[in-house]
Formats: sequence, structure tokens, C-alpha cells
Amino acid sequence: EPEVTQTPSHQVTQMGQEVILRCVPISNHLYFYWYRQILGQKVEFLVSFYNNEISEKSEIFDDQFSVERPDGSNFTLKIRSTKLEDSAMYFCASQTSNQPQHFGDGTRLSIL
Amino acid sequence: KNEVEQSPQNLTAQEGEFITINCSYSVGISALHWLQQHPGGGIVSLFMLSSGKKKHGRLIATINIQEKHSSLHITASHPRDSAVYICAVQKTSYDKVIFGPGTSLSVIP
Repeated sequence: EPEVTQTPSHQVTQMGQEVILRCVPISNHLYFYWYRQILGQKVEFLVSFYNNEISEKSEIFDDQFSVERPDGSNFTLKIRSTKLEDSAMYFCASQTSNQPQHFGDGTRLSIL
Repeated sequence: KNEVEQSPQNLTAQEGEFITINCSYSVGISALHWLQQHPGGGIVSLFMLSSGKKKHGRLIATINIQEKHSSLHITASHPRDSAVYICAVQKTSYDKVIFGPGTSLSVIP
């Protein structure tokens, strides 16, 4: 079965540094999402992306965050200047019509 | 106020027991999802429901749209069922998924 793949599985970064989290959605999917889960908390929506533009973003998704689909396969989340509170598990998801969203295994981001 | 609530928060069961996890939501939805999250963190979709009942192996999910309530049942529970079970909803077909807080299930041999 096709999968959403995320890299790296674990990223350790110094506070203030830029980080890019990468995702390869399922190839025929057109809708893409990023979520995050702070340790011990529920999963929260960050941003959705369709037709090469953001369709919705949450309050969490401030100017430090950006998303990009640089080619036909990758979907990236960039955090420009990381803060301690950005430490979380970040999940990418993709969806096609009337099917559940498929989630990647996540990238655990640790900010030191 | 949380849009999706679950009960119980934690559940411990003996192997073989019948398990029920409940979910209530407060918004209009196009679909309700039951998801499973293992300790490694990955999220797997178990069911997507818009009405009625679905069954897959030992898992059964039901939804009552009028009451805004859903249940996930596990029959003949097994230690490998130990995981966090998450109820989540979508308001429209391609909308973001709104997650509940999860129910942590531990099945003891």
C-alpha cells in the first residue's frame, strides 16, 4: 500500500537555527497537511496546502513557518528560527477524494 | 471548549475483554475517523465513518449523527491492541482533521 514518507525521523537542532522537515506524499494525492504533537498533548493542525498554495493555517503557523512543494513529489515544512517550544512530533498527511488522510510516521524535532 | 472529547482517558483491560471507547463531538461533520497511534508515534487510520457501522476484524466502529457520538469496540482484546486510540473529525471532505485527546489502552496478558 502506498505510504507517506517523512525524513528525517529525528532532528536535533540548536535554538535559533532553521530546520526543514521533508515529506513525500502519496503520488496521486492533491491535498497536503502538516500537524504537530507536543509530547503528552493531542495532535494539532498547522497548515493545509492545495494547488500550490496554502488553503488554511492555524494560529500556530506564524511567520516563522513556511511550506513549499518544490517539485512534483516533496512537501516541506520550514521553521526559520526555532524556539524551544517548537519541540514536537511533526506529521505530514495527504489525501485524495473521499478517503481518509494518510499520515507519515512523523519527524521528532528536538530543540536544544 | 474542545470540539472532540473522548472517554475514558486511560483504559486497562485483561486479554480477551470487550473494550469500548467513546467519542463525542460538537460540530457538524462530513466524516469521523478512528486512528491508532503506537508508542513509536506513527498514526494509522482504522475507520472513516459518516453514518452507521463498520467492522474490520475484531474492531467495530459506530456513529450516531443525531447524538454526535461514536464508539470504537474491540472484541477479544489482545496485548498487541495496546496503543492510543484517537477519535477525530473533518467538517468537510478535504478539511483539516480535528483530533480528540486520545484514549490510552493497555491490554494485559
